[in-house]
Amino acid sequence: SQKIEQNSEALNIQEGKTATLTCNYTNYSPAYLQWYRQDPGRGPVFLLLIRENEKEKRKERLKVTFDTTLKQSLFHITASQPADSATYLCARGQTGANNLFFGTGTRLTVIP
Amino acid sequence: DAGVIQSPRHEVTEMGQEVTLRCKPISGHNSLFWYRQTMMRGLELLIYFNNNVPIDDSGMPEDRFSAKMPNASFSTLKIQPSEPRDSAVYFCASSSGGGDLNEQFFGPGTRLTVL
Repeated sequence: SQKIEQNSEALNIQEGKTATLTCNYTNYSPAYLQWYRQDPGRGPVFLLLIRENEKEKRKERLKVTFDTTLKQSLFHITASQPADSATYLCARGQTGANNLFFGTGTRLTVIP
Repeated sequence: DAGVIQSPRHEVTEMGQEVTLRCKPISGHNSLFWYRQTMMRGLELLIYFNNNVPIDDSGMPEDRFSAKMPNASFSTLKIQPSEPRDSAVYFCASSSGGGDLNEQFFGPGTRLTVL
């Protein structure tokens, strides 16, 4: 099965610090991982994609890593702001199929 | 572009009634996905279509659920008869073709409550 887990249901962090969210997968390595942000009452919004053969991807204050040895992806938000407070979802995808399997999400709260 | 459009935004119905959820994907996108989100189970893929053809419906909970995509700009998810355990937020998403790395664009969701 293509299981994917996000260990923390919730994470509180002080404004200005770096938030680090974890996504673990089981069984075979996904071809890629995607990270989404979801605000209350809204649908998820795509943030970043990282391929299996990529170690790291960056976009502004966001950074994603992919470690196939640990079977893990880390999602970092540097210089966090209260506006970053949301639920973050990771999803795994496979070559040849465009469906995704989502984790249950981590609710991040950035405290001013 | 208006993005993915879903209707209704909220639906309250009684057990046993038929429920139809509607989705209009982004113009030009050829993949459409239906998801269900609950606190307990997170975001679950129910079914997805490529070029209006159902590709994988293994996530559809049971025969009470059915989905159609009669054309590239419209899809429905029907529950008949509905049960209280079907209460959830149902999302529709679409993505463009050309590969399996494409991001999905989600609609605002339909919050379904079955009494």
